[in-house]
Amino acid sequence: AQSVTQLDSHVSVSEGTPVLLRCNYSSSYSPSLFWYVQHPNKGLQLLLKYTSAATLVKGINGFEAEFKKSETSFHLTKPSAHMSDAAEYFCVVSEGTGGFKTIFGAGTRLFVKA
Amino acid sequence: GAGVSQTPSNKVTEKGKYVELRCDPISGHTALYWYRQSLGQGPEFLIYFQGTGAADDSGLPNDRFFAVRPEGSVSTLKIQRTERGDSAVYLCASSLTGTNTGELFFGEGSRLTVL
Repeated sequence: AQSVTQLDSHVSVSEGTPVLLRCNYSSSYSPSLFWYVQHPNKGLQLLLKYTSAATLVKGINGFEAEFKKSETSFHLTKPSAHMSDAAEYFCVVSEGTGGFKTIFGAGTRLFVKA
Repeated sequence: GAGVSQTPSNKVTEKGKYVELRCDPISGHTALYWYRQSLGQGPEFLIYFQGTGAADDSGLPNDRFFAVRPEGSVSTLKIQRTERGDSAVYLCASSLTGTNTGELFFGEGSRLTVL
């Protein structure tokens, strides 16, 4: 069975500084990994996904993530935070076991200070 | 429609009542997921459909919860004898292929409050 752990419930950065949101996963199969973002009172939106191609994945709004199998990690980064990045971020794992159960982490709330 | 549509957007009910929540996925999407999101938590997997059949219902918390998708399109999540602990936002998502490489497209959710 798969699981996902987001290591920080809250992260606070200043505008213009780098963002790092950490995620570790567990999977019995070759997983697909995703990051979704949820702005206040908005629906969930896909930021990026890893599906066994390139290990460094680029997403929307300047975000990227690196799949590291040896560390079972899929951390999300952005070189320079913007005020509009303030939101809840979810790391997600999906594995093909016949039923493509897709599991969300507990989320990391990103605060961006002016 | 252009996106995943969920109705009602808000539902307030009394403990012990029966509730139905509806999801209308993106046209042509074969896979449909239901999640439950409580305040301050990530979405919790409930059930996944591929076509008309429930491919994985291991996330349904107990037998008060049931979901159907009779024609492979619209789905209804049914909750019997509601309890206060059922209060949450119920999210529906659909996906084009149902493979684990597919992006999930989410609706805005149905907020259920059980008094």
